Amino acid sequence: EPEVTQTPSHQVTQMGQEVILRCVPISNHLYFYWYRQILGQKVEFLVSFYNNEISEKSEIFDDQFSVERPDGSNFTLKIRSTKLEDSAMYFCASSEGSGGFTDTQYFGPGTRLTVL
Amino acid sequence: AQRVTQPEKLLSVFKGAPVELKCNYSYSGSPELFWYVQYSRQRLQLLLRHISRESIKGFTADLNKGETSFHLKKPFAQEEDSAMYYCALSGLEAAGNKLTFGGGTRVLVKP
Repeated sequence: EPEVTQTPSHQVTQMGQEVILRCVPISNHLYFYWYRQILGQKVEFLVSFYNNEISEKSEIFDDQFSVERPDGSNFTLKIRSTKLEDSAMYFCASSEGSGGFTDTQYFGPGTRLTVL
Repeated sequence: AQRVTQPEKLLSVFKGAPVELKCNYSYSGSPELFWYVQYSRQRLQLLLRHISRESIKGFTADLNKGETSFHLKKPFAQEEDSAMYYCALSGLEAAGNKLTFGGGTRVLVKP
């Protein structure tokens, strides 16, 4: 069964550094998402991406964040200048897109980002 | 605004006992509700969703629009049901298929 994959599984970085989190969505899916979960808190929506552009973003997704689909398979989240409070588990997800908001979103295993 | 509340952080039950996980939501439009489960060291995966109206692994959930609830139930819990369970909401009016999650309920099924 196809799965969403994410690399790396764990990323440690110094405050102020840039990080890129990578995801390979399921191949025939059209919608892509990033969520994050700070330790002990809820899973929070960051951004959704469709047809090579951002479909929706949360207030968390400020100018330090960006997403890109650099080729036909990868979907990346870039954090330009990391802060301590960016430490979290970041989940990528994808969905078929045919059912819109009723579609199941399939999640990757997550990347744990630790900012020191 | 969308909001999902799971009032219980932890539910501990004995094997064979019924289990009910509560989920309440706040949403002014047409909601779609989901239950996701995360087993130990595994990814979030869909357990069931309202639109499918099916029973998965013995679990069922009924959308009650009057009470704005989508509680998850299983009549006889098994040890393999021990996991973290998340209720989530999306909606017709929510741009970008955004999912809003509850805080999660950890279920521990004791032998």
